[in-house]
Amino acid sequence: NAGVTQTPKFQVLKTGQSMTLQCAQDMNHEYMSWYRQDPGMGLRLIHYSVGAGITDQGEVPNGYNVSRSTTEDFPLRLLSAAPSQTSVYFCASSSLAGGWNEQFFGPGTRLTVL
Amino acid sequence: KNEVEQSPQNLTAQEGEFITINCSYSVGISALHWLQQHPGGGIVSLFMLSSGKKKHGRLIATINIQEKHSSLHITASHPRDSAVYICAVSGGGNKLVFGAGTILRVKS
Repeated sequence: NAGVTQTPKFQVLKTGQSMTLQCAQDMNHEYMSWYRQDPGMGLRLIHYSVGAGITDQGEVPNGYNVSRSTTEDFPLRLLSAAPSQTSVYFCASSSLAGGWNEQFFGPGTRLTVL
Repeated sequence: KNEVEQSPQNLTAQEGEFITINCSYSVGISALHWLQQHPGGGIVSLFMLSSGKKKHGRLIATINIQEKHSSLHITASHPRDSAVYICAVSGGGNKLVFGAGTILRVKS
């Protein structure tokens, strides 16, 4: 199993550009989520999904869109990048069976917006 | 006030020392997670617990639900334990609220 994969690992954007961060998992997990990690702050939830076709907002959703067309993939779209979106982005997945479960994290995408 | 507070923020120890990292939370939870993040690396789950104590190798995690407090202990610390240790809580389902992390450096 590859676990949770993310692409790209690094990205530099100019203000106003759009892009999609890719996330995929091969563990058949129902729950997938996107977090951002900023210096001195804990990870913050951007969006999450409990299954294909179902998404919801987290703590910091503004400026980001998601979709979940398959169980495996959960892309995060930046509509019009801003310097405030410079961060490290992590995707995670977990099973929903049996209540609370271990979350598996991807390796992260380091995004810089100039 | 953050829902999840960790202390200390930074910790430097000598190889072999016993290390304790603390986590306090202010909300009702169904589970508490301890995670490890190496420099430039991804995040891995160390423990999930809702009561009592768990042990894995040199790592021990405890939780006191009444006091809303958890500790992560590392016995016989080693330089390879140098990492950021993150506490996170879930109130139900899989949504997590994270602490800011504790940066641990173990010197040889």
